[in-house]
Amino acid sequence: DIQMTQSPSTLSASVGDRVTVTCRASQSISSWLAWYRQTPGKAPKLLIYKASSLESGVPSRFSGSGSGTEFTLTISSLQPDDFATYYCQQYNSHPLTFGGGTKVEIK
Amino acid sequence: EVQLVESGGDLVKPGRSLRLSCTASGFTFGDYALSWFRQAPGKGLEWVGLIRSKTYGGTTEYAASVKGRFNISRDDSKSIAYLQMNSLKTEDTAVYYCCRRDYSNYDYFDYWGQGTLVTVSS
Repeated sequence: DIQMTQSPSTLSASVGDRVTVTCRASQSISSWLAWYRQTPGKAPKLLIYKASSLESGVPSRFSGSGSGTEFTLTISSLQPDDFATYYCQQYNSHPLTFGGGTKVEIK
Repeated sequence: EVQLVESGGDLVKPGRSLRLSCTASGFTFGDYALSWFRQAPGKGLEWVGLIRSKTYGGTTEYAASVKGRFNISRDDSKSIAYLQMNSLKTEDTAVYYCCRRDYSNYDYFDYWGQGTLVTVSS
């Protein structure tokens, strides 16, 4: 199974901050990586697929980069809705696996 | 508007069975693969399994933790997917989400239901 490791596990930031979350795969997954945002009590929402493609309707402040084993999600200017937990998910092979999540908290 | 609505979550005893339903609307159900995920209380996301569209054989894939105990099926005439869960264990306690795989046929998921809670406890 491909292990996905996210860092940091928790991040404190303020509205307007630039935020970066990292996701590492235990083996190469090419660009087969998605990012999701989850707010408490809600279902995850797809933000990014194929490592850097922005899902339709997702604000342009979100961007993704990377390939192989190292990936980043960047929020260029944090908004109130963005205080949430972010998950990466690899879809290079089954079983599909997620990172442990990064919780973005209000500083 | 695409909607996925899960139902059937309940409190059940270990060893018992439960069937979850995922009722879809707003898209051509038969054209899409569906997947189930779960999230234990306070924990991260875990993939449970997937069922492909009939175009791709309607085949299924499962996580090792549920293989042999859980079964995913679909009724395209009713736009419903099912998750049959047998021999439930306390560690199956979670919110279960039904999700639509993107039309590209790559395994990322563009629409999620609101989830249904399954609690396995004696």
